[in-house]
Amino acid sequence: DAGVTQSPTHLIKTRGQQVTLRCSPKSGHDTVSWYQQALGQGPQFIFQYYEEEERQRGNFPDRFSGHQFPNYSSELNVNALLLGDSALYLCASSPDRGLESPLHFGNGTRLTVT
Amino acid sequence: GEDVEQSLFLSVREGDSSVINCTYTDSSSTYLYWYKQEPGAGLQLLTYIFSNMDMKQDQRLTVLLNKKDKHLSLRIADTQTGDSAIYFCAESMGYSSASKIIFGSGTRLSIRP
Repeated sequence: DAGVTQSPTHLIKTRGQQVTLRCSPKSGHDTVSWYQQALGQGPQFIFQYYEEEERQRGNFPDRFSGHQFPNYSSELNVNALLLGDSALYLCASSPDRGLESPLHFGNGTRLTVT
Repeated sequence: GEDVEQSLFLSVREGDSSVINCTYTDSSSTYLYWYKQEPGAGLQLLTYIFSNMDMKQDQRLTVLLNKKDKHLSLRIADTQTGDSAIYFCAESMGYSSASKIIFGSGTRLSIRP
């Protein structure tokens, strides 16, 4: 049973560029959440997708956007990259229902903005 | 407000018990979690506790919750070198497993021989 998979594992972009990160949830999960983890910090909630719509959003600017596809996979897009966007981006999935099924995280995409 | 605080570092001798502490601010939190992160890896869920419980034990791990003081701790018995990692305390902001989670900044656990 594959867990949460993310691609690519590493990425280097230049300031001002745009980036797309991808996530496939764990089998049986329909909700996808994205987190940003800066170096030396805990993960910060970006947003969550369910039924192809953004359901919750953290304190991130509109440069951060996402999408969820009918097969529950998801993309995170970041426009006009800033140096401060350099971080590990983590995707997590869960079933929408069920109190006893916590988030399962992928290994993340390490984004470096130069 | 939403805030989770942890001490940054903990060093213990191999074979001793490790106790990692955490405080949180939101009294409406439903679940509290402990995640482990090894270098270059994502987050691994270690254990979690529902807010109406005060203790949960799972093999070498014991979680204690003091809801009155909003204090959560993780005790690792017989600490091994493989336990070296960063440990994150986190609280869930809703009643669903899919709810937003707020993380602390992590406690780096190092093991002395």
